[in-house]
Amino acid sequence: SQQGEEDPQALSIQEGENATMNCSYKTSINNLQWYRQNSGRGLVHLILIRSNEREKHSGRLRVTLDTSKKSSSLLITASRAADTASYFCATDYNTDKLIFGTGTRLQVFP
Amino acid sequence: EAGVAQSPRYKIIEKRQSVAFWCNPISGHATLYWYQQILGQGPKLLIQFQNNGVVDDSQLPKDRFSAERLKGVDSTLKIQPAKLEDSAVYLCASSLGRGTYNEQFFGPGTRLTVL
Repeated sequence: SQQGEEDPQALSIQEGENATMNCSYKTSINNLQWYRQNSGRGLVHLILIRSNEREKHSGRLRVTLDTSKKSSSLLITASRAADTASYFCATDYNTDKLIFGTGTRLQVFP
Repeated sequence: EAGVAQSPRYKIIEKRQSVAFWCNPISGHATLYWYQQILGQGPKLLIQFQNNGVVDDSQLPKDRFSAERLKGVDSTLKIQPAKLEDSAVYLCASSLGRGTYNEQFFGPGTRLTVL
């Protein structure tokens, strides 16, 4: 299977702290994407980073990509209870379809 | 703009029964996807349509699953007969076009329980 893997599998933090989750993938990609899934809003696209980019920001989100290590990280700064969700990375492996990873479950306590 | 609509939201059936799910994508979106998400895992692509043609169904268990997208708009996914391992959330997504640079928008999903 080419499915990527996120780590940690689960993460619990207090509001205001930063949360970092990592994604590793198997072969070359055109882009890597991060999604959030919670019971309220379902699965939502957060950010896309292209293979020739090293870092991207969107609000409180910061994504890095290291193609030499085939890994990416998602940093959520100043976390809020509303950030409680599962976070998935998805890669394209140079195709026009996405392969989702196994996900990180984030719990933010007020 | 209205999002991707799916129905039903929940379905409980016994093994060997059949079931059908319906999806209405965002207006104007040419590409439609069906994903299967088993508890604790990420979504897995089952089938991808471009308008009313199938682009990729390599992961669809064709002996029991079928899908169609008549007139290039709504889509239905059917399972017949269902097995216990089909218990999952079935997600429908749509995008303006093919290619992963087109953002996929997901519906709320249908949670299927097979007893």
